[in-house]
Amino acid sequence: GESVGLHLPTLSVQEGDNSIINCAYSNSASDYFIWYKQESGKGPQFIIDIRSNMDKRQGQRVTVLLNKTVKHLSLQIAATQPGDSAVYFCAETIYNQGGKLIFGQGTELSVKP
Amino acid sequence: DAGVTQSPTHLIKTRGQQVTLRCSPKSGHDTVSWYQQALGQGPQFIFQYYEEEERQRGNFPDRFSGHQFPNYSSELNVNALLLGDSALYLCASSLRGIAEKLFFGSGTQLSVL
Repeated sequence: GESVGLHLPTLSVQEGDNSIINCAYSNSASDYFIWYKQESGKGPQFIIDIRSNMDKRQGQRVTVLLNKTVKHLSLQIAATQPGDSAVYFCAETIYNQGGKLIFGQGTELSVKP
Repeated sequence: DAGVTQSPTHLIKTRGQQVTLRCSPKSGHDTVSWYQQALGQGPQFIFQYYEEEERQRGNFPDRFSGHQFPNYSSELNVNALLLGDSALYLCASSLRGIAEKLFFGSGTQLSVL
């Protein structure tokens, strides 16, 4: 079935550097996208979301970019900190059709001090 | 403000047994979705409950069933457990049956022996 895929399963960065995590989605009908952070032993933690009528959205130290032409989503983390180490998932859905999110496999971010 | 709470946190069952997992949504939320997360994978949508009815269902057999109570809390029941049912079961809550900003609980880790 359709799914959201991630380009890189692991990403290692130095503390203070910027991180970019990429995601491809395949369902052109998806109009709502969410990034989650999951630490070991915990549930996914909401980071930031974006609707398909936007190309960019910024939060605290995070930015999500959406390119609908190539069905690509990215999460940028500025000044990456050791506490950012976790698995990051993107998820896609159709906004008005309930809570059925389609998740990718995740990217593990490792921050070196 | 209480987030999404799940119980129990860990559970060990044997093949063929039945299990019930519980979830209380975030304060103010009325919609509950359940997800199964196998080790190293992204969460997979099981079903969603809104207004005490199952609104959407993922690709899971009828052994997986649920219920939502008038106070919006929810239960996930799995019958005739298989070894492959071992996973982290996540509950997510949202508002009005839409997908916006789903918040997840920490999950119930189910081990089937």
